[in-house]
Amino acid sequence: AQKVTQAQTEISVVEKEDVTLDCVYETRDTTYYLFWYKQPPSGELVFLIRRNSFDEQNEISGRYSWNFQKSTSSFNFTITASQVVDSAVYFCALSDSSGGSNYKLTFGKGTLLTVNP
Amino acid sequence: ETGVTQTPRHLVMGMTNKKSLKCEQHLGHNAMYWYKQSAKKPLELMFVYNFKEQTENNSVPSRFSPECPNSSHLFLHLHTLQPEDSALYLCASSHKLQGGTQYFGPGTRLLVL
Repeated sequence: AQKVTQAQTEISVVEKEDVTLDCVYETRDTTYYLFWYKQPPSGELVFLIRRNSFDEQNEISGRYSWNFQKSTSSFNFTITASQVVDSAVYFCALSDSSGGSNYKLTFGKGTLLTVNP
Repeated sequence: ETGVTQTPRHLVMGMTNKKSLKCEQHLGHNAMYWYKQSAKKPLELMFVYNFKEQTENNSVPSRFSPECPNSSHLFLHLHTLQPEDSALYLCASSHKLQGGTQYFGPGTRLLVL
C-alpha cells in the first residue's frame, strides 16, 4: 500500500538558516506523482510543487528546492535562507494507482516549521 | 474571485442544526473533492466528484451529504452532527483525476457544540 512518511514532526530554526524537510514514500507503482503543500496558520493548503515519477530532475524555485531520489524513495524539500513567513505546516503527498484509485492523495502527517526572528 | 473559495470560513452549530458548506472553483477544473482535517490526524478524503458525478464516498457517515450541481460548485450538507465532527473542512479541485494537481480552498472551520 502507498505510504508517505515525514519523520520530522516539528522543526525550529532561526531566520536565514537553511532547512530541509524530509519525505519518504512507498509505492508499488512505476507511475506516480509527488507533491508538496504548505499550510500556514490560516488553514489553506497551498500547492508548491508536483513531480512525476519519470522526472528525477531536481527543481529550484527561488529559495525553494526539491531533491527527488527514486533510489531512496525520497522527495526532500529545502528552504534556503528561511524567513518568518515560511512558518507553516508542510505536507508531502503521493498519488498513485494503488487500490484502483489513481487520484487519491496520500498525505504525510506534516512537518511544523517554525522560523524565529 | 480566483482559485477555490469556500463559505463560510467559520461555523458554529448545535447537534440538531442543519447547515451547508459551499465550495466554488474558478479554475475550469472537472474534479472536486471534500477533505476533513481533524487535530493531529492526517487529511481524510471524504468525497470525490468528476464531471458532477460522485466517484468516491470514503465511508462517510450519512449525516454528511454532498451535492455537486455543476463542475464549479460543490456543497456539503450537514445534519445532526456530533462534537467529533468538529474539524477543518477543505475543498479542492483538479483539472483531471489521475495525477492532477489538487488546488485547495481556505477551508471552513466547523465547531459542533
